[in-house]
Amino acid sequence: DGGITQSPKYLFRKEGQNVTLSCEQNLNHDAMYWYRQDPGQGLRLIYYSQIVNDFQKGDIAEGYSVSREKKESFPLTVTSAQKNPTAFYLCASSTTGTYYEQYFGPGTRLTVT
Amino acid sequence: KQEVTQIPAALSVPEGENLVLNCSFTDSAIYNLQWFRQDPGKGLTSLLLIQSSQREQTSGRLNASLDKSSGRSTLYIAASQPGDSATYLCAASGNQFYFGTGTSLTVIP
Repeated sequence: DGGITQSPKYLFRKEGQNVTLSCEQNLNHDAMYWYRQDPGQGLRLIYYSQIVNDFQKGDIAEGYSVSREKKESFPLTVTSAQKNPTAFYLCASSTTGTYYEQYFGPGTRLTVT
Repeated sequence: KQEVTQIPAALSVPEGENLVLNCSFTDSAIYNLQWFRQDPGKGLTSLLLIQSSQREQTSGRLNASLDKSSGRSTLYIAASQPGDSATYLCAASGNQFYFGTGTSLTVIP
């Protein structure tokens, strides 16, 4: 089955610790994205990548970092500099070009205490 | 910057009713308008994608329309069922996707 996997589903961390969220896709998509979802708010773009070894900041990149060493993988690190890291994190992928459709993974819920 | 609005934020309807969800966007220079469904605690499932050159798309009981000039899209759900209960989000794409906050739909048996 083609799709996007995110692990783990739930993640708990203590304040001050960095944490890495995994995202893998087997759809052969060039582009991958990380979004954050908070209650009552729309999805907000953190980072995106349209090609291996290249990525761009989204609207809320501060306190986050990413890497794109393989086409299939786009891990997100939530650093201790992120002031409010508790949220639901969603990874997506798409083809590139004008008429691209996004596909989403199941999400990771991160709780930092 | 593109702003996407979905009204109402929540909607309850009896089973069998036809309904319309609304999505408006401020910048008409979009490539696509995509509708998603999200169940509680889950990721987003793509329902329909309307390219900017298209006026509507249909899938089963769902029909989505796009009017770029007025900055509006609607998602029509025919003969609603309890299984349709979920949050529905729209997203307008330019160089990135901009999401609305969603409409939470409850279909009452």
